[in-house]
Amino acid sequence: NAGVTQTPKFQVLKTGQSMTLQCAQDMNHEYMSWYRQDPGMGLRLIHYSVGAGITDQGEVPNGYNVSRSTTEDFPLRLLSAAPSQTSVYFCASTLGGYGGYEQYFGPGTRLTVT
Amino acid sequence: SQQGEEDPQALSIQEGENATMNCSYKTSINNLQWYRQNSGRGLVHLILIRSNEREKHSGRLRVTLDTSKKSSSLLITASRAADTASYFCAAFPSGSARQLTFGSGTQLTVLP
Repeated sequence: NAGVTQTPKFQVLKTGQSMTLQCAQDMNHEYMSWYRQDPGMGLRLIHYSVGAGITDQGEVPNGYNVSRSTTEDFPLRLLSAAPSQTSVYFCASTLGGYGGYEQYFGPGTRLTVT
Repeated sequence: SQQGEEDPQALSIQEGENATMNCSYKTSINNLQWYRQNSGRGLVHLILIRSNEREKHSGRLRVTLDTSKKSSSLLITASRAADTASYFCAAFPSGSARQLTFGSGTQLTVLP
């Protein structure tokens, strides 16, 4: 199994540009999440999904959209990039909810917005 | 707001010594997990402890949970240089809908 894959690994955007961060998993996990990691702040939840067609907001959803059309894929869209969105983005998947299962993380996408 | 807060923020020890990291959280929880992150990498799951458990072991790792004090600790025994990484606790609040909340991490450096 490839586990959780993310593309691209690095991205530089100009303010106002849009882009999609890709995330895919091959473990048939129902639950998937997007986090951002800023220096000294740990991970903060952006959006999550508990199955195909079902998404919900996390702690810091503003400026981001998600959709979940298949179990495998969970893309994150930045609508109009801002310097405050400079961060490292991690996608994760897990077998079940309520924190009862380990999360599998992708390698991350390092995004810089100038 | 972050549920888990680790202490200390940074820890430097010699190889062979034990490393202890602490995590405090704010509300009652279902479960608490610990993760490791090597520099420039994604997080890797270490251990999960449920709210009705007090202690759990996995190899050189020992995790304790004190729900009355809303705190957990991670002990790494006989540390190695390869243990150098950031360690995060992640708490799952009771009654919440599927939102694991991470602390800001402890940066552990093990000197050879």
